[in-house]
Amino acid sequence: GAGVSQSPRYKVAKRGQDVALRCDPISGHVSLFWYQQALGQGPEFLTYFQNEAQLDKSGLPSDRFFAERPEGSVSTLKIQRTQQEDSAVYLCASSLSGAGGNEQFFGPGTRLTVL
Amino acid sequence: AQSVAQPEDQVNVAEGNPLTVKCTYSVSGNPYLFWYVQYPNRGLQFLLKYITGDNLVKGSYGFEAEFNKSQTSFHLKKPSALVSDSALYFCAVRDMWGDDYKLSFGAGTTVTVRA
Repeated sequence: GAGVSQSPRYKVAKRGQDVALRCDPISGHVSLFWYQQALGQGPEFLTYFQNEAQLDKSGLPSDRFFAERPEGSVSTLKIQRTQQEDSAVYLCASSLSGAGGNEQFFGPGTRLTVL
Repeated sequence: AQSVAQPEDQVNVAEGNPLTVKCTYSVSGNPYLFWYVQYPNRGLQFLLKYITGDNLVKGSYGFEAEFNKSQTSFHLKKPSALVSDSALYFCAVRDMWGDDYKLSFGAGTTVTVRA
């Protein structure tokens, strides 16, 4: 079956532009997560959805970052007025449920470069 | 608070030799522990997890890991490494008693297996 997919795979933005990153989770997965992976580092938690509800957004770096999952499936991470420090790989993951021992399945990521 | 430490940035082994990638963790409660592997330009791929029960867990591609509560460690092992095992490996933890959906990753260990 299909895994987690993300689009675009690569995005180059000029500083100040808005970007939108899309995530299609595995069908039937209730929980969806966004992570930010800077070069040479492990992924850092950004936000968590259970169905359409955003239960934790404590990892979002600033109010320029916004995530939504309006119908409980596809999710979009939006970054407004991009800055150079936003350059990173943005990973999306999904799981059957957020809690317990369920592993998270990751997409290939979107590599964002802000010039 | 929860955290993971991977003390080695790089591990180099010859093909056919044993491979060990070290991981130690810190959580307030009991841990859920995971190992992921990342190949270039691809997302994280789940290898194995420890939830409860036997301290030795077996996963994909011949990998195994041993949970040691007294040493707060979860080292990844493979008895005989292959060149194709060369990749970036991440250890991750979730706190069963805290925000148990939130994965915290180590900085990663680059494994190089030489022919």
